[in-house]
Amino acid sequence: DIVMTQSPDSLAVSLGERAIINCKSSQSVLYSSDNKDYLAWYQHKPGQPPKLLIFWASTRESGVPDRFSGSGSGTDFALTISSLQAEDVAVYYCQQYYSTPYTFGQGTKLEIK
Amino acid sequence: QVQLVESGGGVVQPGRSLRLSCAASGFTFSSHAMHWVRQAPGKGLEWVAVISFDGSNKYYADSVTGRFTISRDNSKNTLWLQMNSLRAEDTAVYYCARERWLQLVLGAFDIWGQGTMVTVSS
Repeated sequence: DIVMTQSPDSLAVSLGERAIINCKSSQSVLYSSDNKDYLAWYQHKPGQPPKLLIFWASTRESGVPDRFSGSGSGTDFALTISSLQAEDVAVYYCQQYYSTPYTFGQGTKLEIK
Repeated sequence: QVQLVESGGGVVQPGRSLRLSCAASGFTFSSHAMHWVRQAPGKGLEWVAVISFDGSNKYYADSVTGRFTISRDNSKNTLWLQMNSLRAEDTAVYYCARERWLQLVLGAFDIWGQGTMVTVSS
């Protein structure tokens, strides 16, 4: 199984500041045949289902604010929130869909400083 | 609007069975693979199972293989998860989730239900 490891486990950032969450996979999730990274990011708020933010490591899902961006390739990835808003408080998960079983990182809890 | 609604959760004794349902609406259910994902209390997300758009292919997490069965009825826009031989470690909120891409099983989930809680306890 591919192990996904996020850092940090928790993060406190001031409103309007940048937040960066890192994700590392135990093996590459870059599929050579299509040159795509099979990596997604989700936002999970209490009492709500998770929400898909990013797929193919850097493609924003429709309706997701452009302050959210994904980067990286191979085994190292990052989710950046360029200017933190109050509504961004949530737990964020990376997930690989390169192979089954699809696996998630342990989650990063993002709070306001 | 596009919606997934789970039902069937509850409290069940270890070793017993439970069947979860997921009713889909607002999209062409028969065109999407469907997944179950769970979250144990205080823990992260764990993918459980997937069924292809036509039901011909199914894949499971090792932790549930041989005990859980995923199925669907495209004429009823409904997904199920039959859970047998339940264990305490199966206690979780179970979400059904839609595969983002049409007629593919790639493993990204763009629509999620609100979840249904399953508690396995004596």
